[in-house]
Amino acid sequence: EDKVVQSPLSLVVHEGDTVTLNCSYEVTNFRSLLWYKQEKKAPTFLFMLTSSGIEKKSGRLSSILDKKELFSILNITATQTGDSAVYLCAGGHYKLTFGKGTLLTVNP
Amino acid sequence: GAVVSQHPSWVICKSGTSVKIECRSLDFQATTMFWYRQFPKQSLMLMATSNEGSKATYEQGVEKDKFLINHASLTLSTLTVTSAHPEDSSFYICSARRLWREGHDTGELFFGEGSRLTVL
Repeated sequence: EDKVVQSPLSLVVHEGDTVTLNCSYEVTNFRSLLWYKQEKKAPTFLFMLTSSGIEKKSGRLSSILDKKELFSILNITATQTGDSAVYLCAGGHYKLTFGKGTLLTVNP
Repeated sequence: GAVVSQHPSWVICKSGTSVKIECRSLDFQATTMFWYRQFPKQSLMLMATSNEGSKATYEQGVEKDKFLINHASLTLSTLTVTSAHPEDSSFYICSARRLWREGHDTGELFFGEGSRLTVL
């Protein structure tokens, strides 16, 4: 059975802190690892990672994939209150298996 | 960016009635759409894969007669919750996989806004 495990499940930080979210996976037919940010409604796309060791960046967010150790991390630097959300990672090919998410709370 | 529209965003119905939720890809064709269910503070659980022009593929434990999926066109998939019961109350989200004109699969999923179903 495919499995995606995220840690920590929840995290509370202060504005300006840097956070690292973890995602490990055991997925058959793996092609890519995706990160999403979910606020009140549907998830919004952050990154798709298919190659090991290549960091993807978007502003204060960055992510990297390790296909040998089967994990990915999502880094957020200089956090802001608007970063508060559930961050989901998902792995697979046509079908994605989602982790339970990390609830990030950024306090002013 | 690509847009997926889901309707209705919120519905309340009586126990025993049926509810239809629509998922439309507005600016791209989607031969494959996915339907998920999300309980409070839980992750997205894949219910079924909807393929245009063919029967949906349901995940283990999902009743195909209860959750009817129809993918009649390249831009529309519908989920009908039949004979709804209070335990069917949940947040239902669809996603669509975008294909480029040459058939190249980007692997990127675009999500609808979700539909919150409350069954009384």
